[in-house]
Amino acid sequence: DAKTTQPPSMDCAEGRAANLPCNHSTISGNEYVYWYRQIHSQGPQYIIHGLKNNETNEMASLIITEDRKSSTLILPHATLRDTAVYYCIARTRMDTGRRALTFGSGTRLQVQP
Amino acid sequence: DVKVTQSSRYLVKRTGEKVFLECVQDMDHENMFWYRQDPGLGLRLIYFSYDVKMKEKGDIPEGYSVSREKKERFSLILESASTNQTSMYLCASSSPAGTGQGSPLHFGNGTRLTVT
Repeated sequence: DAKTTQPPSMDCAEGRAANLPCNHSTISGNEYVYWYRQIHSQGPQYIIHGLKNNETNEMASLIITEDRKSSTLILPHATLRDTAVYYCIARTRMDTGRRALTFGSGTRLQVQP
Repeated sequence: DVKVTQSSRYLVKRTGEKVFLECVQDMDHENMFWYRQDPGLGLRLIYFSYDVKMKEKGDIPEGYSVSREKKERFSLILESASTNQTSMYLCASSSPAGTGQGSPLHFGNGTRLTVT
């Protein structure tokens, strides 16, 4: 897996957009960028993934730079329920769930009322 | 939405007991996985399965076995529970990578097992 770097923590006001950056400068051409989050005492929750193009789903948007060396997860209208640790992972397609999954330390997002 | 359901959120068992952890997914996924999550160690893969009745060892299979008799259900068995198996156990499922869709993992909410 390509190494990813994320800021350890961020704050966001409720109702505002939360922009979470991830650096993956050594990503290879066949590695996807996956985002997960984990709320305390719950299992990790898949958010979104992408390869080259920007992606959007009902939870978030993923913006990947043209050189693919970094990406940003955008939660358009953060709520208190979005308070969690967010993990960015770069790896080949997830049938390599056969390998151990290391989330790293992620970004702890605190949404403030 | 994909739903992966683990039968218990919390379990307390005694050393030497046989423990069954059940996981059911409703998305007709071929792939299912069992992980354990411990502080500072990330998610470690115990076993996975790519099809009914098929299983493969992950990184830490010792002391565990699995069963996949139906596509939607993947069971983790602790043959004789020990205190070092106290952990958060996470089940996950995914579609095959060959679908070209990136095959993300979808996790259940976890079972926190305490062995005393």
